[in-house]
Amino acid sequence: GQQVMQIPQYQHVQEGEDFTTYCNSSTTLSNIQWYKQRPGGHPVFLIQLVKSGEVKKQKRLTFQFGEAKKNSSLHITATQTTDVGTYFCAPRQTGANNLFFGTGTRLTVIP
Amino acid sequence: DAGVTQSPTHLIKTRGQQVTLRCSPKSGHDTVSWYQQALGQGPQFIFQYYEEEERQRGNFPDRFSGHQFPNYSSELNVNALLLGDSALYLCASSLRVRNTEAFFGQGTRLTVV
Repeated sequence: GQQVMQIPQYQHVQEGEDFTTYCNSSTTLSNIQWYKQRPGGHPVFLIQLVKSGEVKKQKRLTFQFGEAKKNSSLHITATQTTDVGTYFCAPRQTGANNLFFGTGTRLTVIP
Repeated sequence: DAGVTQSPTHLIKTRGQQVTLRCSPKSGHDTVSWYQQALGQGPQFIFQYYEEEERQRGNFPDRFSGHQFPNYSSELNVNALLLGDSALYLCASSLRVRNTEAFFGQGTRLTVV
């Protein structure tokens, strides 16, 4: 079955530092989505990547999809306290309609 | 336009009891998925409903069952509750044909004592 690993599990950064989380799948993916969950909240959709090697940016957030469509990353430039939360990747296999979530990376930003 | 709504928000049940959780999808969405999220963990896929049928199922026992109604709303039923069933239960709705983002409800916090 599909195995998805996200690293790191936890990350503490000083405000203004950069942050990156990686998502690695054992199988080739159809696409991958990223979600953010604030403490006490629910997952909120950030972006979907579909094409091999795709790179998308949302202000300070940069999302990448690997050439082999087996891995992805989320990079945040100059973190702010509003970035606090857990970031989940949600890969989707070819032909599947459901989302399986990665283990998540919990980001703490120290003011 | 209301987003995904779940009820109740919190629930306390005794071990061995049965529970029903409810979800109304975002307007225009036809697919409902249920997830279990234990404290400090990622959401675990339980099952997905489309056209009133269970389409896909995660690694959960038969004690977990569901239903989808003609208006696309859905219920999650859990029988013979165990202490380990204590978790946040999330409902997510989406539009099947577009196969894009899922919108999540605020969840139901279930505590089994």
